Amino acid sequence: AQTVTQSQPEMSVQEAETVTLSCTYDTSESDYYLFWYKQPPSRQMILVIRQEAYKQQNATENRFSVNFQKAAKSFSLKISDSQLGDAAMYFCAYRSARYGGATNKLIFGTGTLLAVQP
Amino acid sequence: DVKVTQSSRYLVKRTGEKVFLECVQDMDHENMFWYRQDPGLGLRLIYFSYDVKMKEKGDIPEGYSVSREKKERFSLILESASTNQTSMYLCASSLTGSLQPQHFGDGTRLSIL
Repeated sequence: AQTVTQSQPEMSVQEAETVTLSCTYDTSESDYYLFWYKQPPSRQMILVIRQEAYKQQNATENRFSVNFQKAAKSFSLKISDSQLGDAAMYFCAYRSARYGGATNKLIFGTGTLLAVQP
Repeated sequence: DVKVTQSSRYLVKRTGEKVFLECVQDMDHENMFWYRQDPGLGLRLIYFSYDVKMKEKGDIPEGYSVSREKKERFSLILESASTNQTSMYLCASSLTGSLQPQHFGDGTRLSIL
């Protein structure tokens, strides 16, 4: 069974600095998707970034980028030029690329709570 | 903007009650999801629906059922609420081609006394 591990329950970063959130996963599959979701305090969870396992190029979305290391099964999120609005719980998630109902369910990590210090 | 609306932000019920959590989305999404979020456990899928009247069990369906009579509405039902069902419940939706949740509701914090 696939698992997703976020080993940092909490992290802190100074405004304008860069922070990296760690995520590792375990799978025997070769084709899958990885995601980072952001859940701000008392606000809706949103999808931040997505990576297809077959792509070697790391995904980027503005100030958010990932470091995808397939062999190491590592998928870290880098936030550049941190802003106060980046303070949130961040969840890493995995999904198989095979099609078939609940087999495509997202497997979430336990989350990393990011604080941004002014 | 897609909106996923959960009927209650906070709900307090008693053990043994039948509890209904309602979720409505306004973008004609085929897929809808119910998750439970607990500290230290992340999000766990309770049920998934890929069309009207179609549903699949997730990781933790025990003690829950769902109803999807209309495309825009996905209800989560606690048949006989128990204290271990005290949690944050999140509804989400996505288009057919996107099997992961794209849009989430604000969540319902449910307390069972």
